[in-house]
Amino acid sequence: AQKVTQAQTEISVVEKEDVTLDCVYETRDTTYYLFWYKQPPSGELVFLIRRNSFDEQNEISGRYSWNFQKSTSSFNFTITASQVVDSAVYFCALSEKDTGRRALTFGSGTRLQVQP
Amino acid sequence: DTGVSQDPRHKITKRGQNVTFRCDPISEHNRLYWYRQTLGQGPEFLTYFQNEAQLEKSRLLSDRFSAERPKGSFSTLEIQRTEQGDSAMYLCASSLDDREQETQYFGPGTRLLVL
Repeated sequence: AQKVTQAQTEISVVEKEDVTLDCVYETRDTTYYLFWYKQPPSGELVFLIRRNSFDEQNEISGRYSWNFQKSTSSFNFTITASQVVDSAVYFCALSEKDTGRRALTFGSGTRLQVQP
Repeated sequence: DTGVSQDPRHKITKRGQNVTFRCDPISEHNRLYWYRQTLGQGPEFLTYFQNEAQLEKSRLLSDRFSAERPKGSFSTLEIQRTEQGDSAMYLCASSLDDREQETQYFGPGTRLLVL
């Protein structure tokens, strides 16, 4: 069965520090998708990135970067030069294509607090 | 604003009452999902629709829960005889099935408190 583990419950950094959020997943499918969502205090889940299991290229978007490693079943998320506005709960999620199951399986989230 | 919308945003009810939530997906999206999120946890899948057909239901969806999407557009989630354990954030998401990869976009959620 699919599973997503975010071992870091809460991380606190000072503004301008770099921070990495870890995500480890389990799946039997060979084709799957990995996602990161941000949930600010307002509660709405905001989509950040989707990665296909066949595409192991790392991606950078502004201050955000993602490191996908199939060998270790990890999909880590790094924020460079963190800002107070980055404070939120971040969720990693998995969906499986082979089984046709469309539901997202989420990790328990990592709460990031960026202090000014 | 063409994102996913949910109504109401907050609901307080007494145990035993029925409640109904509405979700309006992004207009061209044919898939619609309901999730439940309790404090400190990630969202958990409840059910999903492709157009008007309900294609999958989680074991979390007890017989007190029912969801509909009558015309393949908006959806409703009803909880009958609410219990205190139903207190949670109910999230709706929609996506477009493009046969390759799909991304679910979430609404703001309905926060339910059962007293």
